[in-house]
Amino acid sequence: GAGVSQSPSNKVTEKGKDVELRCDPISGHTALYWYRQSLGQGLEFLIYFQGNSAPDKSGLPSDRFSAERTGGSVSTLTIQRTQQEDSAVYLCASSPGQGYSPLHFGNGTRLTVT
Amino acid sequence: GEDVEQSLFLSVREGDSSVINCTYTDSSSTYLYWYKQEPGAGLQLLTYIFSNMDMKQDQRLTVLLNKKDKHLSLRIADTQTGDSAIYFCAESRTNDYKLSFGAGTTVTVRA
Repeated sequence: GAGVSQSPSNKVTEKGKDVELRCDPISGHTALYWYRQSLGQGLEFLIYFQGNSAPDKSGLPSDRFSAERTGGSVSTLTIQRTQQEDSAVYLCASSPGQGYSPLHFGNGTRLTVT
Repeated sequence: GEDVEQSLFLSVREGDSSVINCTYTDSSSTYLYWYKQEPGAGLQLLTYIFSNMDMKQDQRLTVLLNKKDKHLSLRIADTQTGDSAIYFCAESRTNDYKLSFGAGTTVTVRA
């Protein structure tokens, strides 16, 4: 079966532009996570979805960041008015959402803001 | 301070054993995980251990957990060049759905 799919794999954008990052989780996985990985840093939690609901948005760095999930499947992370400090790899993960299931990660989107 | 800490770099000779260490702070940790990240890829789950266990072995991988000291280690036997990667330690906690990750240990295997 397919794993977690993210697109695009790379995105270069100019400062001030909006970007959308897409995540297609493993079929049947109800839980979906976005993390950010900056150079030399660990993984920074951004947001978690259970189904279409996001009970915890506390990791979003600013109000320029938003995310949605539709149909309990695909999720989109949107960054408005991008800044250079937004440059990072954005990783999506999904899990069956039961108990303490391990997270399954996609290959990430590398975002570069010039 | 970080909840999960790891040393940043490890260099090991091919064929030797690698030991990657991790410390965590939360005594309510339930599961502890090791993930591997190769260049340009996402994180691949290697193994995980429940907090009431002290050891788990899976082929070349041995996980040791010292719950009293909140110390986790991953031993890779007979390290190969394909083991060169970043290794992340992560924990999950009671009533928390997300994992907390360390900064990762970059393992370099030299011939």
